[in-house]
Amino acid sequence: AQSVAQPEDQVNVAEGNPLTVKCTYSVSGNPYLFWYVQYPNRGLQFLLKYITGDNLVKGSYGFEAEFNKSQTSFHLKKPSALVSDSALYFCAVRDPYTGGGNKLTFGTGTQLKVEL
Amino acid sequence: NAGVMQNPRHLVRRRGQEARLRCSPMKGHSHVYWYRQLPEEGLKFMVYLQKENIIDESGMPKERFSAEFPKEGPSILRIQQVVRGDSAAYFCASSDDRGFSNQPQHFGDGTRLSIL
Repeated sequence: AQSVAQPEDQVNVAEGNPLTVKCTYSVSGNPYLFWYVQYPNRGLQFLLKYITGDNLVKGSYGFEAEFNKSQTSFHLKKPSALVSDSALYFCAVRDPYTGGGNKLTFGTGTQLKVEL
Repeated sequence: NAGVMQNPRHLVRRRGQEARLRCSPMKGHSHVYWYRQLPEEGLKFMVYLQKENIIDESGMPKERFSAEFPKEGPSILRIQQVVRGDSAAYFCASSDDRGFSNQPQHFGDGTRLSIL
């Protein structure tokens, strides 16, 4: 079975500072990993994905994430946070090769708050 | 707007009534997924459909819930004899025709179901 853990319910950071939102995963095979962002009363917006190749993945709005196979982690990062980055962030995993199919398994989400 | 369209955005039902949630995938997408988000929780997979076929319904409750994706028209998630515990946000996502591909799922803005 596949699973995702987001250990922090909330992350607070000052505008202009770097931010990190943590994610660890568990799958039987090779993971497909995704980050999504959700604004209030909206659906999830795709930020970036890791499928294979370079461990550092760059995505939308200046976000990036680093895949670390030995630590089974896929932390989301941004060098300089903006107030407009404040939202709910979800990490998700898909394991299509060992029975996981196409479904995404999500973490419980991390609320990011960027303050002036 | 070529995104995933869900309607209605808000739906209020009394206990025992039926709820019908509709989802039109992005243009060119023939894979549809339904997820449920309970308050303060992440999204939970319910069902995965392709045109006229249910591919994976491992997340669907055994009773009262059904889903379809007909050859013509939107995908429908149907909940019969609703109960208070069905109150949640229901999200639809779609992906392109490449089956077990690495393409991300694109989400609609959801239907927020409230049971009185």
